[in-house]
Amino acid sequence: DTGVSQNPRHKITKRGQNVTFRCDPISEHNRLYWYRQTLGQGPEFLTYFQNEAQLEKSRLLSDRFSAERPKGSFSTLEIQRTEQGDSAMYLCASSPREGAKTQYFGPGTRLLVL
Amino acid sequence: GESVGLHLPTLSVQEGDNSIINCAYSNSASDYFIWYKQESGKGPQFIIDIRSNMDKRQGQRVTVLLNKTVKHLSLQIAATQPGDSAVYFCAEKRQGAQKLVFGQGTRLTINP
Repeated sequence: DTGVSQNPRHKITKRGQNVTFRCDPISEHNRLYWYRQTLGQGPEFLTYFQNEAQLEKSRLLSDRFSAERPKGSFSTLEIQRTEQGDSAMYLCASSPREGAKTQYFGPGTRLLVL
Repeated sequence: GESVGLHLPTLSVQEGDNSIINCAYSNSASDYFIWYKQESGKGPQFIIDIRSNMDKRQGQRVTVLLNKTVKHLSLQIAATQPGDSAVYFCAEKRQGAQKLVFGQGTRLTINP
């Protein structure tokens, strides 16, 4: 399978715990995006990487959230001190190059904070 | 504020009929639009895209129409099949920006 992959697919945690999600983009895609989707809504942009550089962050990305892409390949999204409002689907997408605008999404990680 | 939205939250059609899903956008600076299909528990799946310098684009059983005058986008699905049941989102990409801005989505149900 050469699509975007995300792990884990599901995560249940208690309020106050830290969680980390991983995204593996399509091979050779240098742009990687994180979105958050709550029930019944469209995905909302969180942050964007070009290679290893994080070039844009949404105001939705509070200081409890941190994303990295250390080698310009896979990316991790960490949420510290989780809150019930963090419960959502976290989606990763990638796109191949400058000028290629289509973003291809992974299956998402569904987070439930109890 | 500026947003991408959909006219109808739900749409039911008979199997074999054509369906039309609509989307309104408000930012005239948007230069690229995408339709995604999302099935339950899955990530959005790319269907078709269109650039702002076009008004129509066709794919396999799908057609996207763009009317820049009234800032309207539509997705036409021909001869709908049970597998077309899903939530459909339009998304816009504004010129110079990297992020996609999504609308709320329309749930399409295919009746046998």
